[in-house]
Amino acid sequence: EDQVTQSPEALRLQEGESSSLNCSYTVSGLRGLFWYRQDPGKGPEFLFTLYSAGEEKEKERLKATLTKKESFLHITAPKPEDSATYLCAVQATDNYGQNFVFGPGTRLSVLP
Amino acid sequence: DSGVTQTPKHLITATGQRVTLRCSPRSGDLSVYWYQQSLDQGLQFLIQYYNGEERAKGNILERFSAQQFPDLHSELNLSSLELGDSALYFCASSVEGGLYPNEQFFGPGTRLTVL
Repeated sequence: EDQVTQSPEALRLQEGESSSLNCSYTVSGLRGLFWYRQDPGKGPEFLFTLYSAGEEKEKERLKATLTKKESFLHITAPKPEDSATYLCAVQATDNYGQNFVFGPGTRLSVLP
Repeated sequence: DSGVTQTPKHLITATGQRVTLRCSPRSGDLSVYWYQQSLDQGLQFLIQYYNGEERAKGNILERFSAQQFPDLHSELNLSSLELGDSALYFCASSVEGGLYPNEQFFGPGTRLTVL
């Protein structure tokens, strides 16, 4: 069964305090891994797609990396506006066809 | 604004009833996905349509069904509603719908409350 877990469940940072969020996955046929940001009561907002181990993508204060078992979202010098829930998701192909599995998310709070 | 629209924004109904949620994808996107998000389950993939045809099926109950019309908008039908169906329902769209990874763009969601 395809599974995605994320840690920590919640994270509180001071403004400017860098940290990393973890996404661990167990899938039979990984096609791609995605990171999304979700604000309360809104739909997830796309951040990155990673296709293969060793790949890295950057956007402003965020950097996503991928290994064969996990992905990290590094946040450098975060600002209060980075506060949100960060979701990791995989697109996988298994014996039952194509599947899209989201992790439970990491709730990030950045304090001024 | 992702370009994906969903109606209605809120829906309150009673157990045993049937409702229809509507989604219009971004201009040019051929694929539509439906998700359910509840507090205890997180975001759960329900079903995907690509250019009018069902492409992938997730944890969709038999009481739920969906379709994608020739103009590419999609509807999710929920019937014999139960209290546990109360959740946020999101629609997402992507350019393609094959095995190559496509980023999905999410709508604002429909909040369904079953009383």
